[in-house]
Amino acid sequence: DVQMTQSPSNLAASPGESVSINCKASKSISKYLAWYQQKPGKANKLLIYSGSTLQSGTPSRFSGSGSGTDFTLTIRNLEPEDFGLYYCQQHNEYPPTFGAGTKLELK
Amino acid sequence: QVQLKESGPGLVQPSQTLSLTCTVSGLSLTSNSVSWIRQPPGKGLEWMGVIWSNGGTDYNSAIKSRLSISRDTSKSQVFLKMNSLQTEDTAMYFCARSWGYGGFLFDYWGQGVMVTVSS
Repeated sequence: DVQMTQSPSNLAASPGESVSINCKASKSISKYLAWYQQKPGKANKLLIYSGSTLQSGTPSRFSGSGSGTDFTLTIRNLEPEDFGLYYCQQHNEYPPTFGAGTKLELK
Repeated sequence: QVQLKESGPGLVQPSQTLSLTCTVSGLSLTSNSVSWIRQPPGKGLEWMGVIWSNGGTDYNSAIKSRLSISRDTSKSQVFLKMNSLQTEDTAMYFCARSWGYGGFLFDYWGQGVMVTVSS
């Protein structure tokens, strides 16, 4: 199985700032990397897939980049609703696998 | 409006069988695939398996011997059964629509049901 390693595990920032979350795959997954947001009491939300394609409804302050084994999620001009957990997931091969998550907290 | 909702017992005894139901609205199960995904407390997400729109199934090899996914299209329900439960199976269990090339993207999720394995 493809192992996904996310960093950092925790991240503190203030509204208006920009942050980046990294995800590294144990082998090349081409461009097939997705990002999800998880918040208590809400359904998980698919933000980005295929590395950089924004899912319908994802604000443009979110962007994704990378290919091969190294990927980055960037959130510019943080809004209060952006704080929560973020997971990367490879969708290149069976079985789909997820990173351990990054907790984005209010500073 | 697409909705998925998981239901099932909150507490299961060790060695027993877990049975969960995912009730889907706004989607037809004959043209959509549904996966089960779980998340132990404080840990990451683990894909468990999928039932494809044609009724076929695929499972994560790590739990394949214990897992069964089925459906009732007339009731728009997907079922998960997992036997020989242990404490490490304690987790939040989610159902989600499998979408995209290969079906490995999950664009609609339920809110999850917490299952605790304990005597």
